Amino acid sequence: RKEVEQDPGPFNVPEGATVAFNCTYSNSASQSFFWYRQDCRKEPKLLMSVYSSGNEDGRFTAQLNRASQYISLLIRDSKLSDSATYLCVVAGTASKLTFGTGTRLQVTL
Amino acid sequence: GAVVSQHPSWVICKSGTSVKIECRSLDFQATTMFWYRQFPKQSLMLMATSNEGSKATYEQGVEKDKFLINHASLTLSTLTVTSAHPEDSSFYICSAFRVTNEKLFFGSGTQLSVL
Repeated sequence: RKEVEQDPGPFNVPEGATVAFNCTYSNSASQSFFWYRQDCRKEPKLLMSVYSSGNEDGRFTAQLNRASQYISLLIRDSKLSDSATYLCVVAGTASKLTFGTGTRLQVTL
Repeated sequence: GAVVSQHPSWVICKSGTSVKIECRSLDFQATTMFWYRQFPKQSLMLMATSNEGSKATYEQGVEKDKFLINHASLTLSTLTVTSAHPEDSSFYICSAFRVTNEKLFFGSGTQLSVL
């Protein structure tokens, strides 16, 4: 079993749609959780950290369920510029990250 | 602006040659840097952890004699792909850990193509 599993997609959605990505992780000792965004052949960029209480940043909402070892990302009112690959990332320490394979999102007109 | 500089951005080389990739932290000292590899449509896979002044720690399945890592200063780590072969063609990316705010910064990546 992979340490971090994601549906690779692609998710093709129209502008303005709401889309949700899910991720599961296998190591129950994991301490930190993140969503990163990666554009093609670019470095990943931190989108947001994920907390047990859930957190929101504009159109993006992240949730963590430690009991189920499950992380989610919700994007509301999708924009064309949201098209990218979204990486679920789990860390045992602040610096050592384990990446999921990523979920590709394509937002269309 | 970028806080981690990675060079070159892309390189094409012949099979059997060695390629060196540099990763520099620009405005902070990084005792720990990480090297990842990403094949098309796959996730970033950690190859090794680069420790300043000591030997790198390699992940299982990564050949330390093929992927030489040197972290001789607090701001520079290098990855040398020795005797590169076409199957080594990949996107290589580094990251550096800034202790002061516990943040990880990524370089812009290096696309290696071995002919």
